[in-house]
Amino acid sequence: GENVEQHPSTLSVQEGDSAVIKCTYSDSASNYFPWYKQELGKRPQLIIDIRSNVGEKKDQRIAVTLNKTAKHFSLHITETQPEDSAVYFCAASFPRQLTFGSGTQLTVLP
Amino acid sequence: ETGVTQTPRHLVMGMTNKKSLKCEQHLGHNAMYWYKQSAKKPLELMFVYSLEERVENNSVPSRFSPECPNSSHLFLHLHTLQPEDSALYLCASSQSGTGDEKLFFGSGTQLSVL
Repeated sequence: GENVEQHPSTLSVQEGDSAVIKCTYSDSASNYFPWYKQELGKRPQLIIDIRSNVGEKKDQRIAVTLNKTAKHFSLHITETQPEDSAVYFCAASFPRQLTFGSGTQLTVLP
Repeated sequence: ETGVTQTPRHLVMGMTNKKSLKCEQHLGHNAMYWYKQSAKKPLELMFVYSLEERVENNSVPSRFSPECPNSSHLFLHLHTLQPEDSALYLCASSQSGTGDEKLFFGSGTQLSVL
């Protein structure tokens, strides 16, 4: 089955700085890579996703990059704000299911 | 509100109890899922229902029993659980269950097994 590794497990940044979270996956057939944000006590919500025919996707302050050769994808958050503090999960597709990474606790310090 | 509701929000049960978790989706989706979320671990897929078909994670113990009477409702029946089963149980739905589409999560049931 698919294996997804996510790093770092915790990340603290100063407000206004950038944050980068990285994931690697094992199954070269995976073709869909979403990122979910889970605020404390709330449900995970999709914030951005990318498909294997695209190398980069942006949505305002967040972007995702994909390197299919290296089986690696990353989430980039620029100009971080306190409301960006949450746990972020990457995932990779596998037939009929997503395999999730273990999560990154992002803390944005004021 | 994402259109996926779970009840109860919190549940405390003894190891000999039998209880059920309920999930309902109002999005017209064809697939529903149960995930287990434990501290410091990835979200673990437990069960998938896509139309009439169930895809089951092989590592799920038989003390967890899913039921999907129709495409809008999903249950997780619990019996003789162990303390290590304490976790947040999340229900989700998606349009077709292909694995490459957005998941809509419920708020979860926080389960404590004493």
